[in-house]
Amino acid sequence: SAVISQKPSRDICQRGTSLTIQCQVDSQVTMMFWYRQQPGQSLTLIATANQGSEATYESGFVIDKFPISRPNLTFSTLTVSNMSPEDSSIYLCSARTGGGEKLFFGSGTQLSVL
Amino acid sequence: AQRVTQPEKLLSVFKGAPVELKCNYSYSGSPELFWYVQYSRQRLQLLLRHISRESIKGFTADLNKGETSFHLKKPFAQEEDSAMYYCALSGGSGAGSYQLTFGKGTKLSVIP
Repeated sequence: SAVISQKPSRDICQRGTSLTIQCQVDSQVTMMFWYRQQPGQSLTLIATANQGSEATYESGFVIDKFPISRPNLTFSTLTVSNMSPEDSSIYLCSARTGGGEKLFFGSGTQLSVL
Repeated sequence: AQRVTQPEKLLSVFKGAPVELKCNYSYSGSPELFWYVQYSRQRLQLLLRHISRESIKGFTADLNKGETSFHLKKPFAQEEDSAMYYCALSGGSGAGSYQLTFGKGTKLSVIP
């Protein structure tokens, strides 16, 4: 199994600013993912964070808005840039171990943009 | 494109009554289906996956390819089952096989 620590757990930010969310896994994992859950909506995959290469973004998400870092096999960050109220959401980090069958989740970051 | 539909936003049942949380999916290949659960103030966690064919906390789910469904069932609901339940689908190959498409979730409320 894997334990994922995600921080901050919540934040209130001003329009136009940026927030970086950190995700730390207690073991080396091959794949890490970032999801967004907007109010009343399902979880939507933002991107796959690849170690040693650029993240792979899903349709509707771009690197300029959601830059991601994955410096090693246990850590990743997601930045929400130039925030607007539409970015208010829960952001979730998840990880899947190599050959593992389970996807583990962080506790989420609740972001509110004023 | 893959899609997961959970038609019920909220499901209320009495303690001891049977529970069925519905999930339908759309996917052209052979999908892998999961149920995730989020209890109050806890993180999202895997409940079960169709490949395992296991029963977890009394819950079971059978993949019906003909009806493209993966409904979650429990014969007798307990109060501690109250939570948010998400059906999820994993498809594709390579890295894509690890990515999940989630339904919107069903909030199960078990009434004492």
